Amino acid sequence: NAGVTQTPKFRILKIGQSMTLQCAQDMNHNYMYWYRQDPGMGLKLIYYSVGAGITDKGEVPNGYNVSRSTTEDFPLRLELAAPSQTSVYFCASGAGSNEQFFGPGTRLTVL
Amino acid sequence: DQQVKQNSPSLSVQEGRISILNCDYTNSMFDYFLWYKKYPAEGPTFLISISSIKDKNEDGRFTVFLNKSAKHLSLHIVPSQPGDSAVYFCAATGYGDYKLSFGAGTTVTVRA
Repeated sequence: NAGVTQTPKFRILKIGQSMTLQCAQDMNHNYMYWYRQDPGMGLKLIYYSVGAGITDKGEVPNGYNVSRSTTEDFPLRLELAAPSQTSVYFCASGAGSNEQFFGPGTRLTVL
Repeated sequence: DQQVKQNSPSLSVQEGRISILNCDYTNSMFDYFLWYKKYPAEGPTFLISISSIKDKNEDGRFTVFLNKSAKHLSLHIVPSQPGDSAVYFCAATGYGDYKLSFGAGTTVTVRA
């Protein structure tokens, strides 16, 4: 079991560029989440999904989009990158109980 | 609106001594609380949790205490070891809610 995997590990974007952060899990979890962590701050929920085809906004969804076409994959899309989106992004999955399992993170810098 | 607060950004403790991490919450609907541990360049990993029907939960060197009336919980690590040096996040959720609210984290440094 690989658990939750994220790619890429690091990325530098120019302002206005777009990219997709990939997330996959092999635990057959229905629930998946995207968080961002800024320095000195906790994890803020961007988007989440309760199953394939169902997504909803979290606390900080502006500037992001998601899709969930399969149980395994939950990509996060940044359409017009801005410096405020410089952060570390974590994907997580869960079975509906309270515990969530996290990926290793993607460190994104927007210049 | 931060519903989960960890007011101590950092904690330094000598190896072998007790580490006490504190967490406060404001949402009275929260009934399940978790602690996560995070090493640099890794994702958070689940450490221990407690339900609101309990006031204490132990797992080896880790014990979490919950004071519902004060909306306060704490994590005790006894004895502290160098491998415990990490960032610890407190998280909370309510019944039927599968989303977690996280605190800002406390960085623990265990000195040899």
